[in-house]
Amino acid sequence: NAGVTQTPKFQVLKTGQSMTLQCAQDMNHNSMYWYRQDPGMGLRLIYYSASEGTTDKGEVPNGYNVSRLNKREFSLRLESAAPSQTSVYFCASKGPGQHYEQYFGPGTRLTVT
Amino acid sequence: AQSVTQLDSHVSVSEGTPVLLRCNYSSSYSPSLFWYVQHPNKGLQLLLKYTSAATLVKGINGFEAEFKKSETSFHLTKPSAHMSDAAEYFCVVSDRGGADGLTFGKGTHLIIQP
Repeated sequence: NAGVTQTPKFQVLKTGQSMTLQCAQDMNHNSMYWYRQDPGMGLRLIYYSASEGTTDKGEVPNGYNVSRLNKREFSLRLESAAPSQTSVYFCASKGPGQHYEQYFGPGTRLTVT
Repeated sequence: AQSVTQLDSHVSVSEGTPVLLRCNYSSSYSPSLFWYVQHPNKGLQLLLKYTSAATLVKGINGFEAEFKKSETSFHLTKPSAHMSDAAEYFCVVSDRGGADGLTFGKGTHLIIQP
């Protein structure tokens, strides 16, 4: 039982390059999330998926796209990376209902130069 | 709409002294509340959660929190700080079912002085 896994752990991109961050969970959770974390800003929600086949925008979706490939996997794509997207990205998953906590992956540290 | 305010961005205590991290929330419903800890360069880990059972909740590593509805607070405490407690702490409120019913506080950085 690995929980939530993310790849890669680190990535350096040049402005304008594209990349996909991968996330997978093995807890059979319906809900999955992508956050970014910047100093002093806490965690900000980029996109979330309430179930397989559905995705919704969070607080800061601009410049990102997501795909809920199946129940296990939820990917985040940067089509044309910008320096403002330099951040640490976390994926999370959660069981149904408000009483369930989120489980977080270890994060991806992305630098855009 | 729900919101969470962590009243201190940084808290510094000496090793062996009590820890108090403050969290206030607002919610139109009966909320669930969570505290997470993030050690440097790590993901977030659940410390404890309140889900409308006992108002005093015990978590891992000696932490506990008390839900006070009249004060709309969910402060995190520990009787005696340890060096390994140095980390970022996040208070989270959830008051609806569904995937989007979560709001994070901005975090409190806990510093432990030797």
